[in-house]
Amino acid sequence: AQKVTQAQTEISVVEKEDVTLDCVYETRDTTYYLFWYKQPPSGELVFLIRRNSFDEQNEISGRYSWNFQKSTSSFNFTITASQVVDSAVYFCALARNQFYFGTGTSLTVIP
Amino acid sequence: GAGVSQTPSNKVTEKGKYVELRCDPISGHTALYWYRQSLGQGPEFLIYFQGTGAADDSGLPNDRFFAVRPEGSVSTLKIQRTERGDSAVYLCASSPSGGGSYEQYFGPGTRLTVT
Repeated sequence: AQKVTQAQTEISVVEKEDVTLDCVYETRDTTYYLFWYKQPPSGELVFLIRRNSFDEQNEISGRYSWNFQKSTSSFNFTITASQVVDSAVYFCALARNQFYFGTGTSLTVIP
Repeated sequence: GAGVSQTPSNKVTEKGKYVELRCDPISGHTALYWYRQSLGQGPEFLIYFQGTGAADDSGLPNDRFFAVRPEGSVSTLKIQRTERGDSAVYLCASSPSGGGSYEQYFGPGTRLTVT
C-alpha cells in the first residue's frame, strides 16, 4: 500500500525563523517519485520539487532545502529564514502511476 | 504559456442533478489527472488519462462518476445523481507524461456545492 503521512497539521513560526515540515511515506515499490507542493490561500497547487527514489542527494533552492532519507522513508522540507509569503498549506506526495498526497501541513508565518 | 484551466470555477447544484466539470490541460501534455479535495485534506486521486484512454480509474468512488478525454486534450468529469457528499473542490492536473516521472501542473479547481 502507498501512503504519505504529514504528522504536523499546523505550524506557526515567527518571521525569520527556520521551519522543517516532515513527510514520511510507505511504499513497496523500489522505483517511485516524491514531490512537495505549496497551496497558498489562493488555492492553486504550486510544484516545488520532485525526487526519484534513486537520488538521495539533498537539494537546496534558495531558502528551501529538502532532505531525502530512504532508510527512514522520509522526505523533509526546510524553509530557512521564513517569510510571511511562505504562509500556505504544504503537501508531500508519493507517485508511481497515480499520486498519493498527504493531508498537508498548514504553515503560518507571523510578522 | 497558458496553464491548466478549469470551468466553471464554482458550481452549485441540487441533490440528484447531473453536473459536468471541464479541464483544459497544458497543450502537448499527454497525461491528465482528476482529483477531489475536501476541506482540510490533500488531493484525493480519482482518475488518470494517458492520451485518450483512462490508464487508472481506481479512484472513482462509484459508478456515478465518469470521465472522458475523447481527443486526448480536454477532459470532462461527469457526476450523475449528485449527493451532498460530493461537495468538494475538483482539481485537474496535467503533465508531459504519466507515471510520476514529471511534475503535475494543477488548475485552479472547480468548487462544487451540492445543496
